[in-house]
Amino acid sequence: DTEVTQTPKHLVMGMTNKKSLKCEQHMGHRAMYWYKQKAKKPPELMFVYSYEKLSINESVPSRFSPECPNSSLLNLHLHALQPEDSALYLCASSHGQGAQDTQYFGPGTRLTVL
Amino acid sequence: GENVEQHPSTLSVQEGDSAVIKCTYSDSASNYFPWYKQELGKRPQLIIDIRSNVGEKKDQRIAVTLNKTAKHFSLHITETQPEDSAVYFCALRGGGGNKLTFGTGTQLKVEL
Repeated sequence: DTEVTQTPKHLVMGMTNKKSLKCEQHMGHRAMYWYKQKAKKPPELMFVYSYEKLSINESVPSRFSPECPNSSLLNLHLHALQPEDSALYLCASSHGQGAQDTQYFGPGTRLTVL
Repeated sequence: GENVEQHPSTLSVQEGDSAVIKCTYSDSASNYFPWYKQELGKRPQLIIDIRSNVGEKKDQRIAVTLNKTAKHFSLHITETQPEDSAVYFCALRGGGGNKLTFGTGTQLKVEL
């Protein structure tokens, strides 16, 4: 398996809802990432997990809560989001070491907050 | 943090022509420079990458050049085809950690 998968593909939620995004990879990668991407903008890093430990939090609001249950799975728990949080949420993974640590992206979850 | 400038923001070429996109950076410790292609509604896909100890790398119609002294790297696409139309992002990784910093993107349109 050489792909990063994400579910769901689309998600519509209200500002009081709680939902979760899921990411999975079976490439043996030990680093996993969450990015947020607005239309016509580059991906913006949110979190990095390295060997299942949170290594980077780019000052993301606490309404976004990441979780890495094991080396293949990465979740992003959402609570009390704002309409401006509507975006494409991309997961990525990489080997986690080495000078050429290529990141491979999943297809993303298109999130709309009403 | 690291800053990456990418130019041009939009590029329109005729089918068969070449396209060049350039990125400049400031951190001399940057050691890895990937390029991603993102079609509308799709994921960013790695198309080519280069390490800091290499000056040029080529893969069929795509090439990347790196000038460490001047701190810029460029994507070259030859014999462009309509399916090359997409947004292209340069990126780089600094001296430590696995964080990528992305350029602002270039919308490439290949016209028939």
